[in-house]
Amino acid sequence: DAGVTQSPTHLIKTRGQQVTLRCSPKSGHDTVSWYQQALGQGPQFIFQYYEEEERQRGNFPDRFSGHQFPNYSSELNVNALLLGDSALYLCDSSLYGGEQFFGPGTRLTVL
Amino acid sequence: GQSLEQPSEVTAVEGAIVQINCTYQTSGFYGLSWYQQHDGGAPTFLSYNALDGLEETGRFSSFLSRSDSYGYLLLQELQMKDSASYFCAVRDHTGEAAGNKLTFGGGTRVLVKP
Repeated sequence: DAGVTQSPTHLIKTRGQQVTLRCSPKSGHDTVSWYQQALGQGPQFIFQYYEEEERQRGNFPDRFSGHQFPNYSSELNVNALLLGDSALYLCDSSLYGGEQFFGPGTRLTVL
Repeated sequence: GQSLEQPSEVTAVEGAIVQINCTYQTSGFYGLSWYQQHDGGAPTFLSYNALDGLEETGRFSSFLSRSDSYGYLLLQELQMKDSASYFCAVRDHTGEAAGNKLTFGGGTRVLVKP
């Protein structure tokens, strides 16, 4: 049984570019949440997807958007990248309201 | 708003006991989770308390007092491999049409010395 997977593992972009990160939930899970973790800090909640809709959103600008597909996988898109967007991006998956499991993360570096 | 406070760093020797305290202010509280994160890795789940009291899982125990908005993680018989960052996180939600989300503290870096 595969756990939560994320791709790519690492990514380097330049300011102003756009990036798409991907997350496949654990088998049987239907809810995906995304978090941003800057170096030395705790993860910060970006948003959550359930039934292909954004259900909750943290304090992040509209440059951060997402999508959930019918197979429950999800994408995180960030437009107009800033240096401050450099971070580890984590997704977690759960069966709605249940235990949450994190993926290995995508390390984004913005130059 | 929501906030969690935990110490930034703790140092201890192998075999010792470490307690990491966490105080929180939040709404829609379901429970308090603890995660371990090694450098370069993702957070891994350690424990979850929804009700008051102590939960024991091997060398790690976690405690919650909902009335005091306080919890702690107890690490016993410390080993070198326990050197990592430890995060408390409140599990909550912001509406009926929403599942759980996690609000994390800033993390406590535990350094275990020989």
